[in-house]
Amino acid sequence: DAGVIQSPRHEVTEMGQEVTLRCKPISGHDYLFWYRQTMMRGLELLIYFNNNVPIDDSGMPEDRFSAKMPNASFSTLKIQPSEPRDSAVYFCASSPRGRNSPLHFGNGTRLTVT
Amino acid sequence: AQSVTQLDSQVPVFEEAPVELRCNYSSSVSVYLFWYVQYPNQGLQLLLKYLSGSTLVKGINGFEAEFNKSQTSFHLRKPSVHISDTAEYFCAVSDGTGGGFKTIFGAGTRLFVKA
Repeated sequence: DAGVIQSPRHEVTEMGQEVTLRCKPISGHDYLFWYRQTMMRGLELLIYFNNNVPIDDSGMPEDRFSAKMPNASFSTLKIQPSEPRDSAVYFCASSPRGRNSPLHFGNGTRLTVT
Repeated sequence: AQSVTQLDSQVPVFEEAPVELRCNYSSSVSVYLFWYVQYPNQGLQLLLKYLSGSTLVKGINGFEAEFNKSQTSFHLRKPSVHISDTAEYFCAVSDGTGGGFKTIFGAGTRLFVKA
């Protein structure tokens, strides 16, 4: 099992540009989560999907952020336009079933917006 | 609403000494509790979990945690730490709402093991 795969590992972009982060969950996992990690705010849940359907996006900071899951093996998190305060490490995680199963994390994408 | 409080942001300890990382949670419903570890430039990895049953839970790398419902705590312990245990540790709680669930993380505790 390859685990959760995120790309790119690092992204440096200028303010105002569009950024797309990608995630391939573990095959057979029904849940997919996007988290953001910063020193100030720790780990924040942005959005999660169940069977490709967005369930809760209340953590998405503003309309500049959007996430999609077109099929069971792929998800994207898009920021348009990006701002310096979006700089963070973005993690994707997947889980096989409900609340009693742990999350499997990817290695994250470190985003720097200048 | 559920929340997780990790009482120590940093814990320095000498190699081979015991360590306890403290975690308290609040939730209005029954919960599932987890500890994760994060090494530099990596994602989080599961150390152990409490779902039900015995309140003492054993995990990987010699760690264990005790669920205390009356004190709403889930402290992580290791009797003898190694340099390689230096990492950030996160306590997390999972709460079921409707048809889905959320996992909420504490702020993390940085464990620094000194030779």
